[in-house]
Order: sequence, then structure tokens, then C-alpha cells
Amino acid sequence: AQRVTQPEKLLSVFKGAPVELKCNYSYSGSPELFWYVQYSRQRLQLLLRHISRESIKGFTADLNKGETSFHLKKPFAQEEDSAMYYCALGNYGQNFVFGPGTRLSVLP
Amino acid sequence: GAVVSQHPSWVICKSGTSVKIECRSLDFQATTMFWYRQFPKQSLMLMATSNEGSKATYEQGVEKDKFLINHASLTLSTLTVTSAHPEDSSFYICSARDPGTGVAGEQFFGPGTRLTVL
Repeated sequence: AQRVTQPEKLLSVFKGAPVELKCNYSYSGSPELFWYVQYSRQRLQLLLRHISRESIKGFTADLNKGETSFHLKKPFAQEEDSAMYYCALGNYGQNFVFGPGTRLSVLP
Repeated sequence: GAVVSQHPSWVICKSGTSVKIECRSLDFQATTMFWYRQFPKQSLMLMATSNEGSKATYEQGVEKDKFLINHASLTLSTLTVTSAHPEDSSFYICSARDPGTGVAGEQFFGPGTRLTVL
């Protein structure tokens, strides 16, 4: 069965500090992993997808199949990064499974 | 990116009435749309997968007779909450895949509809 875990409900860091939002998954096939972000009063939007291996807004995420993880990282957090972050697992052509989400709060 | 709209953005209704929520893909055709429910401070829970021209596929525990889904065209899916009760109050979000993005699996989300049942 597909499952996504995000162990931290809330993560608070100071501006300029490094950030790592953890995501682990369980899936028997070849997964698609995504990070979605939801800023206050806005819709959910895609931040990163593992197949593109890109950096968006300074965030990166590497798929580690051995550890079944897809942690989201940013070296220097900014106040505008404060939001809810959801890790999602998809199977090509199928529905998504979302993790419970982590609320990132970047303090001034 | 592709745009998905929802209407209404919020609705208040009396217990026992039915409410219809529309989800539209504005600049692409979506053969598949998804309906999610989000409780306060919780994650999205998939309710059903809406397939154009065929019956929706409901997740376990979701009452298909209570949450009626219709996907009559490639750009419109509707969710009707029948005989709504206060426990149905929630944030309902739809999403759609744009097959033309070239990226398998990416979903585009609507802004959500907040339903309050009195």
C-alpha cells in the first residue's frame, strides 16, 4: 500500500537557518514524489517533483530509494517560506497520496 | 501552468439540503479529476477519482450516495453533497491532471470550496 509520512507537524526555524522537511514513503513500485506548498489563503501548488531534479525558490529534494525518503531542504530559510508543505506520492496515471503535512514557520 | 477553478468558493446551507460544487479546468482538457476533503489543520484526504464519461471511483469509507460526482465533460466535474449535515462541513478541493504538461502525474489544484452546514 502507498503511504507517506511527515514526522514533524510543525517546524520552526530562524531566518537564515537551514531547513529540512522530512518525508518518507512506502511503495512497492517506482514512485513519483512531489512536494506541494500551501501558503496562507492560497491554493495548493507544486513546489518540486523528483524527476525534474530542479531547485525552486532555493529548495531541493533528492529521492533516496534506499531510505525511501524525499526530504526537502533549503540552506537559508526566508520568512516568505512560512507555509504548509505536503509530500505526495503518485503512481504514473494514478491518484496521489498526501502526507499529513508540515507547517514551516520561519521566525525573524 | 494549467488553471483549475472551483465554484462556489464558499457556501453555507441548512442541514438536509444538497449542495453542488463545480470544478473546471480552464485551459486544458482533463479526463481525470480528483476530489479531496481537508479538515482544519489536517492533510488532504482523497475522496474519489472522477473519470470523464464514466462512474467515479470512490475511496474506502466515502459514501457514494452522499457525495455524488459527475464528470460530464472534459473540463467540468461536479460534486454534490446530498442531504448535508454539520459533519459534512469541510474544505473541498478538486484537482486535475493536464496530460499536455509532459510531466506524468502532476496535478493542478483548485482554490477549494468551504462548505458550512448549519
